[in-house]
Amino acid sequence: SYELTQPPSVSVSPGQTARITCSGDALPKQYAYWYQQKPGQAPVLVIYKDSERPSGIPERFSGSSSGTTVTLTISGVQAEDEADYYCQSADSNGTYVFGTGTKVTVL
Amino acid sequence: QVQLQESGPRLVKPSETLSLTCTVSGGSISSYYWSWIRQPPGKGLEWIGYIYYSGSTNYNPSLKSRVTISVDTSKNQFSLKLSSVTAADTAVYYCARGGYGLDPWGQGTLVTVSS
Repeated sequence: SYELTQPPSVSVSPGQTARITCSGDALPKQYAYWYQQKPGQAPVLVIYKDSERPSGIPERFSGSSSGTTVTLTISGVQAEDEADYYCQSADSNGTYVFGTGTKVTVL
Repeated sequence: QVQLQESGPRLVKPSETLSLTCTVSGGSISSYYWSWIRQPPGKGLEWIGYIYYSGSTNYNPSLKSRVTISVDTSKNQFSLKLSSVTAADTAVYYCARGGYGLDPWGQGTLVTVSS
């Protein structure tokens, strides 16, 4: 089955930049979406269609795509950004899948 | 704004059918896709499937033989049925608007499979 691979964890100091990657063979042909999930809460969409930001999401969240890897970048990380982050995309058959998830720790 | 709320039994016996309903408020269920996602305790997200308001569906192949998602536009609700459950189906179940780009999500409901 299709897999989207993310690093298990990323650690970053406040004010620095966090980059979270998501790799999958179908990503050159399928959009990626990113979600933030804080403990005990439902996920929240932070990036759609690789790089678009929903209204209400801070500008420090951005997304990019290059080949089989998409990246979520959080610039000027704040303590409130500590959370789990998941990418989502689809395989060539239109079956949706979530990435393995990345825990972002703000030092 | 649109809000979603999951409802249904929190405890299901092994081999029985899990049934959940998602009620959409603050907007119409028409013209959108609607999804179910689950998250076992301490683990990642798993896409279960989606339904278009017209009734067309798409399911996770790993669950397809046991899953049915339906929609009731008159009640602004959509539902999930998962048959022959085991302990491995214990999870927080979320409903959400969309197929990709899920937004917003319901708060989620923990369903435990146990005798």
